[in-house]
Amino acid sequence: ETGVTQTPRHLVMGMTNKKSLKCEQHLGHNAMYWYKQSAKKPLELMFVYSLEERVENNSVPSRFSPECPNSSHLFLHLHTLQPEDSALYLCASSQDTSGGGTGELFFGEGSRLTVL
Amino acid sequence: QKEVEQNSGPLSVPEGAIASLNCTYSDRGSQSFFWYRQYSGKSPELIMFIYSNGDKEDGRFTAQLNKASQYVSLLIRDSQPSDSATYLCAVPGMDSSYKLIFGSGTRLLVRP
Repeated sequence: ETGVTQTPRHLVMGMTNKKSLKCEQHLGHNAMYWYKQSAKKPLELMFVYSLEERVENNSVPSRFSPECPNSSHLFLHLHTLQPEDSALYLCASSQDTSGGGTGELFFGEGSRLTVL
Repeated sequence: QKEVEQNSGPLSVPEGAIASLNCTYSDRGSQSFFWYRQYSGKSPELIMFIYSNGDKEDGRFTAQLNKASQYVSLLIRDSQPSDSATYLCAVPGMDSSYKLIFGSGTRLLVRP
């Protein structure tokens, strides 16, 4: 496995379900991110982890709960979602979170979430 | 909150032409700018970044910065059908380059 992998690639869930998205990076990076991508809208940063510590929580509703057990794995736990939460959820990693870098994020292929 | 604006397109150009993609940004203090390419159904990938000290050329791609008018352009010379994708512009957040603010992207279609 190389790069950033996300599972599942597609997920359909009801509003009362609980599910989780998983992300794993094989790049030896220290920072991991969750982004939300909705049609015709910019990528929205949701959470940032640096060395397993959350450094950013971008006003995301509590029905989204991130978990970063180590620097290679990132989860997004989902519960009581709304239909407007349907989107592509992208995981990304970068070498670190220091300023002045190249800004290069390595994205996974995304998890397409549909909330019924 | 910084804003990054892009025309959603699609921008349609014939094969071999120059494709010009523009991005405007709201913060005059922005010092670096990034272009990501996203093929349909795929994840974004960084193809170019530019700092405020000048234009940058990489193969068929050129990034140009106009600080006075607060826009950055991506020029693709000799456009190929394989360049058809959505191009996302991004600038760093106010506190760190890791926190990128993305535009909504311009869809480019290169006609054979």
